[in-house]
Amino acid sequence: EAQVTQNPRYLITVTGKKLTVTCSQNMNHEYMSWYRQDPGLGLRQIYYSMNVEVTDKGDVPEGYKVSRKEKRNFPLILESPSPNQTSLYFCASSLSPAHYEQYFGPGTRLTVT
Amino acid sequence: AQSVTQLDSHVSVSEGTPVLLRCNYSSSYSPSLFWYVQHPNKGLQLLLKYTSAATLVKGINGFEAEFKKSETSFHLTKPSAHMSDAAEYFCVVITTEGTYKYIFGTGTRLKVLA
Repeated sequence: EAQVTQNPRYLITVTGKKLTVTCSQNMNHEYMSWYRQDPGLGLRQIYYSMNVEVTDKGDVPEGYKVSRKEKRNFPLILESPSPNQTSLYFCASSLSPAHYEQYFGPGTRLTVT
Repeated sequence: AQSVTQLDSHVSVSEGTPVLLRCNYSSSYSPSLFWYVQHPNKGLQLLLKYTSAATLVKGINGFEAEFKKSETSFHLTKPSAHMSDAAEYFCVVITTEGTYKYIFGTGTRLKVLA
């Protein structure tokens, strides 16, 4: 089944404790992306990747890192999480960003205390 | 810079009546535009997309949208609302000025009354 998977689905952590949210797709998509969703703000893009070893900043990259060492994986790293990073995070992938839909993962709800 | 504005944060309609969700975009050239839907506690699903082909775009579940360049609008419509349409809807534009950023509107929550 074609899908985007994220782990974990729920995470509660403390300020400053490094964490990684994994994202994997099995559709051989070139484009992958991370978003955060906050009430009243819609989804905001954190980082995206056009292909392996090619990443670029979205609108809200501060406090986040990403890597794209393999085509299927695009982990999101929070080196030193802070409470303002409490949010719902979505990973997505697409064959070609301008012409094809993005497939979204189920979301990761992160709480930083 | 490209941007998208959803004009209503909440819309309520009665079951069986038409739905209109409004979206205006700003773009220096012909954009790619999408509508996505998010049901409660679910991920996002594509409803329809405009990528410079026909200006009237048909999507899933009876939704359609019309691209109007003169009005810089891409409003989403459905002739008859169903209870299952209750969800949050997002209008999305993609920047293609050497990058491929997705810009989401702030969302419109659709409520369908019995």
